[in-house]
Amino acid sequence: GIQVEQSPPDLILQEGANSTLRCNFSDSVNNLQWFHQNPWGQLINLFYIPSGTKQNGRLSATTVATERYSLLYISSSQTTDSGVYFCAVTSGTYKYIFGTGTRLKVLA
Amino acid sequence: DTGVSQDPRHKITKRGQNVTFRCDPISEHNRLYWYRQTLGQGPEFLTYFQNEAQLEKSRLLSDRFSAERPKGSFSTLEIQRTEQGDSAMYLCASSLEYYEQYFGPGTRLTVT
Repeated sequence: GIQVEQSPPDLILQEGANSTLRCNFSDSVNNLQWFHQNPWGQLINLFYIPSGTKQNGRLSATTVATERYSLLYISSSQTTDSGVYFCAVTSGTYKYIFGTGTRLKVLA
Repeated sequence: DTGVSQDPRHKITKRGQNVTFRCDPISEHNRLYWYRQTLGQGPEFLTYFQNEAQLEKSRLLSDRFSAERPKGSFSTLEIQRTEQGDSAMYLCASSLEYYEQYFGPGTRLTVT
């Protein structure tokens, strides 16, 4: 089945810094989503982005499907950005396969 | 649109007991999914419904697990004879057709 790898696994930032999170996948995908999991376990939808570029406030994402990767950019990070960021993909099916996540901690 | 809701949010049970979780999807969504997440891992797919039909079950879903979605609305996930290895966060998601999935807050199960 498709493999999803995220990097870096852990990231510590000072408030106000920028960061880039990467998601590599091993096969072509139909759907790709980025999620933020807050400390209470809720998965919050950030982007539905099987291809192209989207922006939402301080966050933006780019998926280059032909090269099998997606990037999530966080600018001017805030302490509330802390948590785990997951990339999830579907490939020929409806079930999402999740990456192992990037654990982000933003220090005040 | 009130989002996906799950009940209960937390459940502590003794090994060997049965537990049942409920998921209410976003009202117009015809597809419903259950995932399980253990500590430090990403969610893993358990099962999927299109309307009331259960179309796939993961091999992770042993015969102690059963899921239903009567009338294509809410869904229940039952675990019989719970084991300590069943301790996890159980997540429900819904979608309209094959697109973006929206997740509920999850039910955290602890088996003692």
